[in-house]
Amino acid sequence: AQSVTQLGSHVSVSEGALVLLRCNYSSSVPPYLFWYVQYPNQGLQLLLKYTTGATLVKGINGFEAEFKKSETSFHLTKPSAHMSDAAEYFCAVSAFTGYSTLTFGKGTMLLVSP
Amino acid sequence: DSGVTQTPKHLITATGQRVTLRCSPRSGDLSVYWYQQSLDQGLQFLIQYYNGEERAKGNILERFSAQQFPDLHSELNLSSLELGDSALYFCASSVGASLPSYNEQFFGPGTRLTVL
Repeated sequence: AQSVTQLGSHVSVSEGALVLLRCNYSSSVPPYLFWYVQYPNQGLQLLLKYTTGATLVKGINGFEAEFKKSETSFHLTKPSAHMSDAAEYFCAVSAFTGYSTLTFGKGTMLLVSP
Repeated sequence: DSGVTQTPKHLITATGQRVTLRCSPRSGDLSVYWYQQSLDQGLQFLIQYYNGEERAKGNILERFSAQQFPDLHSELNLSSLELGDSALYFCASSVGASLPSYNEQFFGPGTRLTVL
């Protein structure tokens, strides 16, 4: 079984500041990890994913995440926040085997102030 | 626009009633997934269909059922509705049925269900 914990239901940053959204996972098998973004009144959109290989993963809109097995973490970062980044972000995990589905964290709302 | 359509956008009904939510996947996608998003439970996987057959089941209540039709659209049926069923219901689709790392799921805009 897998689970995801996102630390902080809300994160506030100023425009231009570093964005850091935290995600820790639990999985009994090697995980696949994902970050999704949900803009108001829209469905989820895939930002980036980690499967195997390079542990630093780059995604769309300047976001990246690093898989750290020893810390069971997959934190999402962006060097400089933009007003358009304001949205809810979901971390998700999937097992490495079988017809595994996605298990989502509770989400972190990113607020960006001018 | 993900290419996944869901109808209706909003649905308001009373306790005890039955509703049907509809989803049309992206052209060419054979898998359809249903999710429930609520404030207390977060985003939860309900059920997956692949080319008309049930492929995976998550936290779906017995009062809920789904099916996928030959034209690949899917319907989620919710019956004996309770106040706690009020939520945003998402449909997603993907090309294949296997690991999410190989088959990106594209999400629709959701149906907001309010049970009064």
